[in-house]
Amino acid sequence: EVQLVESGGVVVQPGGSLRLSCAASGFTFDDYAMHWVRQAPGKGLEWVSLISWDGDSPYYADSVKGRFTISRDNSKNSLYLQMNSLRAEDTAFYYCAKPGRDGYDYYFDYWGQGTLVTVSS
Amino acid sequence: QSALTQPASVSGSPGQSITISCTGTSSDVGGYNYVSWYQQHPGKAPKLMIYEVSNRPSGVSNRFSGSKSGNTASLTISGLQAEDEADYYCSSYTISSTPVVFGGGTKLTVL
Repeated sequence: EVQLVESGGVVVQPGGSLRLSCAASGFTFDDYAMHWVRQAPGKGLEWVSLISWDGDSPYYADSVKGRFTISRDNSKNSLYLQMNSLRAEDTAFYYCAKPGRDGYDYYFDYWGQGTLVTVSS
Repeated sequence: QSALTQPASVSGSPGQSITISCTGTSSDVGGYNYVSWYQQHPGKAPKLMIYEVSNRPSGVSNRFSGSKSGNTASLTISGLQAEDEADYYCSSYTISSTPVVFGGGTKLTVL
C-alpha cells in the first residue's frame, strides 16, 4: 500500500525557516519524480515544487523560487522541502504527492495527509 | 488568481447529472491531454478522480467522466449522490514557468 506521511509543520515567525519531510513507502521511490502542493486554509490547491527521481532537476513555483529548496534522499525514501524567508502567505497545508507514472508525470495518484505550516508573529 | 478557471459552485439534486468546467489556454488545457480532476472532502487530502482528460483510476465510480474541447475541460458526475458533495479541482500540465497549474476549485452541493 502506498503511503506518504508528511511532518515538520509548526508555527514559525515571518522570516523564519522550516524543513518539511515526507516519508514514502509502498512503491519504488527512486523511480518517481515527486511534488509538493500546498493549500492555504479555505483556499485552493497551489503547485509548489517538483524534483526529478535522481534529485538533479528541481522546479519551483514563482511564488517560492529563491526561498524554498526541494531535495530527496532515495536511500531513506524521503522527500524534503527547506523553506526559508517565510512569509504570512506561505501559511498552508503542505502535501507531498506522487505522480501516476514513473519518470515525470503531471497527475497525482497518491497524496499525503498534509502538514500545516503557520507563519505568524 | 488561478491559472485555470472553474465555476465557484455548482449544485444538483440526487440522481441528476452535473458538469464542472475548467477553462485554460492553448499553453495548458488546450495544448496537452494532461488534464486531471481531484475530489476533496473537508479536512481530507485530494483524491484523483480523472487523469489524462478522460481516464478513471481503478476504484473510481464510472459515474465520473471527463472530456475536453478546445481550451475547456469538463468533469461530469452522473447519478449524483450525497457523498459526491465536495470540492473539485482541475489541473493541467503547462508549458509556462511552472509545469503544473490548478483551477480555483468548484464546490459541489448536493441538494
